[in-house]
Amino acid sequence: GAGVSQSPSNKVTEKGKDVELRCDPISGHTALYWYRQRLGQGLEFLIYFQGNSAPDKSGLPSDRFSAERTGESVSTLTIQRTQQEDSAVYLCASSPDGRWKEQYFGPGTRLTVT
Amino acid sequence: KQEVTQIPAALSVPEGENLVLNCSFTDSAIYNLQWFRQDPGKGLTSLLLIQSSQREQTSGRLNASLDKSSGRSTLYIAASQPGDSATYLCAVENTGGFKTIFGAGTRLFVKA
Repeated sequence: GAGVSQSPSNKVTEKGKDVELRCDPISGHTALYWYRQRLGQGLEFLIYFQGNSAPDKSGLPSDRFSAERTGESVSTLTIQRTQQEDSAVYLCASSPDGRWKEQYFGPGTRLTVT
Repeated sequence: KQEVTQIPAALSVPEGENLVLNCSFTDSAIYNLQWFRQDPGKGLTSLLLIQSSQREQTSGRLNASLDKSSGRSTLYIAASQPGDSATYLCAVENTGGFKTIFGAGTRLFVKA
């Protein structure tokens, strides 16, 4: 079946603009994660959604970052007033049940802030 | 605060060699540990998931072990092939929250 998809695959934006990144999880997966990977660095956890429970936002680096998910479907990660340090690959993963099951990753969105 | 460390940072081996990648974590209160591979410019592919109650998982030429009490996991790759060249990441999912913490990875190069 279809895997996790993300759009756009690449995004170049000017400093100060807002961007919205989209993640389509695997159908039926209740858990969804967002991560950030800066060039040459490891993955940083940003946010976790599990069904209709309150999300775990503990990894969001600032109040310029927000994410939404409606039920168990699409999620959007929004970065307001982008800064150059926001340049990174943003990866989304979904899992059938969080904790007890594997995470399946999308191909990522490469964000470049000029 | 959970910290995940992977050693070595990079490894180059001749084809056919067996090898071990190491992952250590500072907080043993985890739900699971997962090994991934990441190919350049691509997303992550899950290799093995070990629940906190398990000690090892095997898939083909891969075997991952978990010693939660000592905060260590190893990924054993048997009879390495050039196609195994990638960055290997380990990640732990903590209890008391949903945060997944990744190590920085081991860059593996298998020479033909």
